Amino acid sequence: KQEVTQIPAALSVPEGENLVLNCSFTDSAIYNLQWFRQDPGKGLTSLLLIQSSQREQTSGRLNASLDKSSGRSTLYIAASQPGDSATYLCAVNNNAGNMLTFGGGTRLMVKP
Amino acid sequence: GAGVSQSPSNKVTEKGKDVELRCDPISGHTALYWYRQSLGQGLEFLIYFQGNSAPDKSGLPSDRFSAERTGGSVSTLTIQRTQQEDSAVYLCASSRRQGGAKNIQYFGAGTRLSVL
Repeated sequence: KQEVTQIPAALSVPEGENLVLNCSFTDSAIYNLQWFRQDPGKGLTSLLLIQSSQREQTSGRLNASLDKSSGRSTLYIAASQPGDSATYLCAVNNNAGNMLTFGGGTRLMVKP
Repeated sequence: GAGVSQSPSNKVTEKGKDVELRCDPISGHTALYWYRQSLGQGLEFLIYFQGNSAPDKSGLPSDRFSAERTGGSVSTLTIQRTQQEDSAVYLCASSRRQGGAKNIQYFGAGTRLSVL
């Protein structure tokens, strides 16, 4: 059974700092890995999707990497802003798209 | 519509009552998923629909939970004889196709269910 772990569970940083969120998974036979953002009381917004054949994806100040063999992914946020404050969720898809297995999330607070 | 729509946004019910939660996926999306987000359990898969195929119900926690999808579009998740442990946010997602490495799931805002 796939298990996804995210570290740290919570993170508080001053504005402008670069930061890294970590995600690990136990079963490396994945189709893809997605990073989501969730604001309080809201649904999930897809940030980046990395296919199993890819090593990284970039969108603006976000960069996600994937090391399938070691079962790890990182989400790098450059020059953090207070508007980045949210919970970030990592999810893996390893059964032909039927469902995602989520990590517990990292709650990020960026202080002005 | 522009995104996945869920209703109601909030539902408060008494223990033992039945509830129905609705999901309207993005137009043209053939796959639809239900997830549950609760304190201490995180986000868990419940059920998955793909077109007219039989749904994947492997995540449903008990036989009190059921879901249907009419006409390949709108879906209803029904919880019978609700229990306090059913209190959670129920999220619906849809995607353009069944799966594959490029499959992106788009989520609704969820229904927050509180069972008193």
